[in-house]
Amino acid sequence: KNQVEQSPQSLIILEGKNCTLQCNYTVSPFSNLRWYKQDTGRGPVSLTIMTFSENTKSNGRYTATLDADTKQSSLHITASQLSDSASYICVVSRNYGGSQGNLIFGKGTKLSVKP
Amino acid sequence: NAGVTQTPKFQVLKTGQSMTLQCAQDMNHNSMYWYRQDPGMGLRLIYYSASEGTTDKGEVPNGYNVSRLNKREFSLRLESAAPSQTSVYFCASTGPGGAYGYTFGSGTRLTVV
Repeated sequence: KNQVEQSPQSLIILEGKNCTLQCNYTVSPFSNLRWYKQDTGRGPVSLTIMTFSENTKSNGRYTATLDADTKQSSLHITASQLSDSASYICVVSRNYGGSQGNLIFGKGTKLSVKP
Repeated sequence: NAGVTQTPKFQVLKTGQSMTLQCAQDMNHNSMYWYRQDPGMGLRLIYYSASEGTTDKGEVPNGYNVSRLNKREFSLRLESAAPSQTSVYFCASTGPGGAYGYTFGSGTRLTVV
């Protein structure tokens, strides 16, 4: 079964601290993995996208890693800010024909950054 | 600002009523999607349109219909709303192959009473 599992479900950290969010997937055939940030009441916004051959990608203070062998990804947030409070969603795309409509979404990790 | 625009942002319906959720994108994207997001669950695909003139069912299409009016617009219709359709609905679009990620609208929060 194609699934994307994220951990932890929720996380509270202090401003300025680092944190790492995890994503494990059992999606086949694999095309790419994306991390999205979703602020409360808003739509998801893309942070990174990685294909099979990429094992790390950064976007400012956000760094995503991908281990395609173990089917694991992580999102590391450095020097957290209050504005990082959001849900972070891991999404895996299947390579299935035109790859249209073949995104598998995780349930997200809700991150709260406290002052 | 360029992006995906959804209307309305909020809606309350009575069971059995009908309504259409509107979505428009101005990025010249070929593919458009409708998702629903429920508490404790990942986004689930309702319908998608790979290109103008085509539509296909996603994971949870029952109770919904869609229309790809033109390249910009993709609407979602609830013919007879049910409480189980209470959810937040997101429209998204993407360019060829989805290489640059999906762009999502800000969502429509629908409550069916």
